[in-house]
Amino acid sequence: AQSVTQPDIHITVSEGASLELRCNYSYGATPYLFWYVQSPGQGLQLLLKYFSGDTLVQGIKGFEAEFKRSQSSFNLRKPSVHWSDAAEYFCAVRPNTGNQFYFGTGTSLTVIP
Amino acid sequence: KAGVTQTPRYLIKTRGQQVTLSCSPISGHRSVSWYQQTPGQGLQFLFEYFSETQRNKGNFPGRFSGRQFSNSRSEMNVSTLELGDSALYLCASSLNPLSNTGELFFGEGSRLTVL
Repeated sequence: AQSVTQPDIHITVSEGASLELRCNYSYGATPYLFWYVQSPGQGLQLLLKYFSGDTLVQGIKGFEAEFKRSQSSFNLRKPSVHWSDAAEYFCAVRPNTGNQFYFGTGTSLTVIP
Repeated sequence: KAGVTQTPRYLIKTRGQQVTLSCSPISGHRSVSWYQQTPGQGLQFLFEYFSETQRNKGNFPGRFSGRQFSNSRSEMNVSTLELGDSALYLCASSLNPLSNTGELFFGEGSRLTVL
């Protein structure tokens, strides 16, 4: 069965510091990979996605993610965090057959001024 | 282009009642999925509709049901509400799930509180 693991439930970083959020997935083949962000009281907004090709993908708001097949990981990074980045981040996978998405349990990001 | 619209945004019900939530997808999107989000369980897949047909269903009891109309709008219904049904219900649409490369576009959710 497919599963997505985000090992960090909560992360606190200082504004201007770098950020890396971890995501590991379990699936027989390479699925499609996504990162979403959710601000309080809002729905989920897509940050970036990986389907194939270059394993380093760029997203909105200065985020990037790197797909590592050998580690079944798709970690999200940002070189310099802004206070407005405080939110909940979800990693998701979608098998390359079907339209069902599987979400991790999320990582809550707090940014200290 | 308008995003995914969910109504109502907030509602309070009592145990035993039933509730209907509505979702209007982005214009041109034919697939609608529903998710339940709770602090303890995260996002859990409820069901997906495409062209008025349920294509996938998550592991929820029969009290949870849904449908899709010819204009792609979707409704979900929860009957005989339980306290544990309190959650944020998120609707998401996608352009064409058969292409396998589309992402989900989410609405802001309907916050259901069961007392």
